[in-house]
Amino acid sequence: AQRVTQPEKLLSVFKGAPVELKCNYSYSGSPELFWYVQYSRQRLQLLLRHISRESIKGFTADLNKGETSFHLKKPFAQEEDSAMYYCALKSHGQNFVFGPGTRLSVLP
Amino acid sequence: DAGITQSPRHKVTETGTPVTLRCHQTENHRYMYWYRQDPGHGLRLIHYSYGVKDTDKGEVSDGYSVSRSKTEDFLLTLESATSSQTSVYFCAIRRTGELTEQYFGPGTRLTVT
Repeated sequence: AQRVTQPEKLLSVFKGAPVELKCNYSYSGSPELFWYVQYSRQRLQLLLRHISRESIKGFTADLNKGETSFHLKKPFAQEEDSAMYYCALKSHGQNFVFGPGTRLSVLP
Repeated sequence: DAGITQSPRHKVTETGTPVTLRCHQTENHRYMYWYRQDPGHGLRLIHYSYGVKDTDKGEVSDGYSVSRSKTEDFLLTLESATSSQTSVYFCAIRRTGELTEQYFGPGTRLTVT
């Protein structure tokens, strides 16, 4: 079964502190993984995808197939990073499976 | 972004009434999706469409039906709304090309009283 888990419902950090949002998945085959972000009362938007190996707004995520993880990291959190973050997996059937989300709160 | 819109954006309705939410895209994509977003559950797929008149069920399809008579429109109908269907509903399209992504609409906040 294809599944995405995000163990933290809420993560609070102080401005300037490092951030790591955890994501684990279960999938048979080569996964395609994504991070989406939703700022307050806005639509979900794609933050980054693993195949692009990009850094967006200072965030990076590395796929670790051995640990079946795709954790999202940023070395220095900013207040504007406060949002809901969803990890997602593109499944065999080409649909996306989303995790339950983690709310990141960056405190001043 | 005008690529995908949803209407209405907010709706309050009473238990037992039918409700139809509309998703409209201007990008001519084949795949369209309806999700509901609830605290602790994240996004759950209700139904999706892979072409005109081609639809399939998602994870939480009970109590919902969909129709797609034109490429640009994907309708979600709650035949008889219940309080458990109070949620935020998101439509999405699958943008394809060199890289695939799901692109979301602005959402519809539905309250069933």
